[in-house]
Amino acid sequence: QEQLHQSGPGLVKPSGTLSLTCAVSGGSINSSDWWTWVRQPPGKGLEWIGDIYHRGNTNYSPSLKSRVTISLDKSKNQFSLSLHSVTAADTAVYFCARQRATVRFAMDVWGQGTTVTVSS
Amino acid sequence: EIVLTQAPATLSLSPGERATLSCRASQTFSGYLAWYQQKPGQAPRLLIYDTSNRAAGVPARFSGSGSGTDFTLTISSVEPEDFALYFCHQRSNWPPVTFGQGTRLEIK
Repeated sequence: QEQLHQSGPGLVKPSGTLSLTCAVSGGSINSSDWWTWVRQPPGKGLEWIGDIYHRGNTNYSPSLKSRVTISLDKSKNQFSLSLHSVTAADTAVYFCARQRATVRFAMDVWGQGTTVTVSS
Repeated sequence: EIVLTQAPATLSLSPGERATLSCRASQTFSGYLAWYQQKPGQAPRLLIYDTSNRAAGVPARFSGSGSGTDFTLTISSVEPEDFALYFCHQRSNWPPVTFGQGTRLEIK
């Protein structure tokens, strides 16, 4: 059974870079699926950040595009998120997820979530 | 960008009652509409994909329907474990992927 496991710091300083990694286990990142990052500010709804395909194709939220990079490491079967120039507005729970082709790219597997606080 | 608007924001029901959650889109699209359940402190869980298909392991009391701009998640008889937050999601007109703002199902 495929699982996603997130890692990365829970505290980032203002103007710094938020970096998170999502490791894929029980399956391969070289599939027909897309790998995505989603965030949820405290008490709010879900916001899509962006996604990546195993060939390296990426898509980003228009509101975050200038600050976001999503990359993948096939040798480690994982993908990563970098969000630059963070402010308090970037404080949120960050999730990685798989958009699976066989369920019309719904997000069928999720990481455990990482609470990231932007504060000095 | 397709904007998804969910209604109501909060739905108060007693166990055993029928729940009807609405998701309205700002423009017509076909397929690629999913529903998720989220409980406090947990990641979302996929319930319905492609408008009306139940994900693996999802009880039959959950069903999805709709077309065009109007989509519905129905829980035929609410169980105590169903009280949670529900989101709709579209991937039809992508990027970007968009989510509704959520409906909270609470115990009456």
